[in-house]
Amino acid sequence: DQQVKQNSPSLSVQEGRISILNCDYTNSMFDYFLWYKKYPAEGPTFLISISSIKDKNEDGRFTVFLNKSAKHLSLHIVPSQPGDSAVYFCAASGSYNFNKFYFGSGTKLNVKP
Amino acid sequence: GAVVSQHPSWVICKSGTSVKIECRSLDFQATTMFWYRQFPKQSLMLMATSNEGSKATYEQGVEKDKFLINHASLTLSTLTVTSAHPEDSSFYICSARPGAGSSYEQYFGPGTRLTVT
Repeated sequence: DQQVKQNSPSLSVQEGRISILNCDYTNSMFDYFLWYKKYPAEGPTFLISISSIKDKNEDGRFTVFLNKSAKHLSLHIVPSQPGDSAVYFCAASGSYNFNKFYFGSGTKLNVKP
Repeated sequence: GAVVSQHPSWVICKSGTSVKIECRSLDFQATTMFWYRQFPKQSLMLMATSNEGSKATYEQGVEKDKFLINHASLTLSTLTVTSAHPEDSSFYICSARPGAGSSYEQYFGPGTRLTVT
């Protein structure tokens, strides 16, 4: 049951422009959302998160937006840098079982110099 | 800080043999460790959750007798794939939660690529 979906397997952006990565979920019980970044041959590293009581969380160049009514979240990277090139996973969890993360299939971001 | 290692990083084994994968938290104590599996171009799927000193909790559809998990210490968890078959070939990733960390905090290892021939 794919409860978290990332429908774009890849995204290519010019350096300095905005990267927008999207994620949709189906379970209304999810109340915590995370974005992870993964380089080849490395494990996912935590990037940014958001609780369902917020609709926006910002950390430097990274901003996550949450639209609960649409069950949609997005990660904005501004400005994009070549070092941001990686696979980005969104994940969702719920306070009813915070041990279980549901991951999307990832979006490969390529930032061109 | 918060480094998780896995060993081996890749392994090839023959059908019918067993393979052990280690997951270590290098600079923190992990009361809870998680094992995930990832197929190509698919999401990470949680296989099981283990707490130090107790039996692992397996997700629905994961065979506990095939995927043996041992969390013997606060820094080490092992996953043993018993009687491996080609369909077990996959990328296995562990993660660990610090004992004093928040409920949603997990640090991931680099993963282990298993190929069963």
